[in-house]
Amino acid sequence: DQQVKQNSPSLSVQEGRISILNCDYTNSMFDYFLWYKKYPAEGPTFLISISSIKDKNEDGRFTVFLNKSAKHLSLHIVPSQPGDSAVYFCAARGLDSNYQLIWGAGTKLIIKP
Amino acid sequence: SAVISQKPSRDICQRGTSLTIQCQVDSQVTMMFWYRQQPGQSLTLIATANQGSEATYESGFVIDKFPISRPNLTFSTLTVSNMSPEDSSIYLCSVHQGGGYTFGSGTRLTVV
Repeated sequence: DQQVKQNSPSLSVQEGRISILNCDYTNSMFDYFLWYKKYPAEGPTFLISISSIKDKNEDGRFTVFLNKSAKHLSLHIVPSQPGDSAVYFCAARGLDSNYQLIWGAGTKLIIKP
Repeated sequence: SAVISQKPSRDICQRGTSLTIQCQVDSQVTMMFWYRQQPGQSLTLIATANQGSEATYESGFVIDKFPISRPNLTFSTLTVSNMSPEDSSIYLCSVHQGGGYTFGSGTRLTVV
């Protein structure tokens, strides 16, 4: 049973436009959500996170939105740049999880010139 | 945030053999995690390795297959034992520090 779902395996966006990556979850006990970016042959690198007490967190070109009632979060990247082409993972942590993360399957973002 | 050196970055191994993956952290961390990422799939937690105690394995993973050592707060190893082609994956270590999670660069294992 997938507790964290990224239903889009890939997404193609024009350079300069907005990229929106989506993530759905099923466990209402998740209290902390993270987005990571992964290039081939590298480990995931942290992008941005959000606590369940907030509905928005912004850091430069990256904004994460959390809709708790819909159990949905999204990552907005604007403007999209060629270096943003990577696989993006959504991850969630529960209140009593011993700091363990549950990961989505990832979305491959391709930025077209 | 912590910096992790993970070795080897890749290896091709014969079935039935074992491979030990090392992660060295540049600072002391309590919690270290080992993940597997099979092709086209998400990261799956293998075990949590805390210094001074035995690793805690997730469902589907056992110590005989994936023994872990955590001799101190800056180092850990994961061994993939008696390998089969189904063990071909990327293996990643991660640490939790200062509210965030940092990853090693991964080990791409191919079993032939």
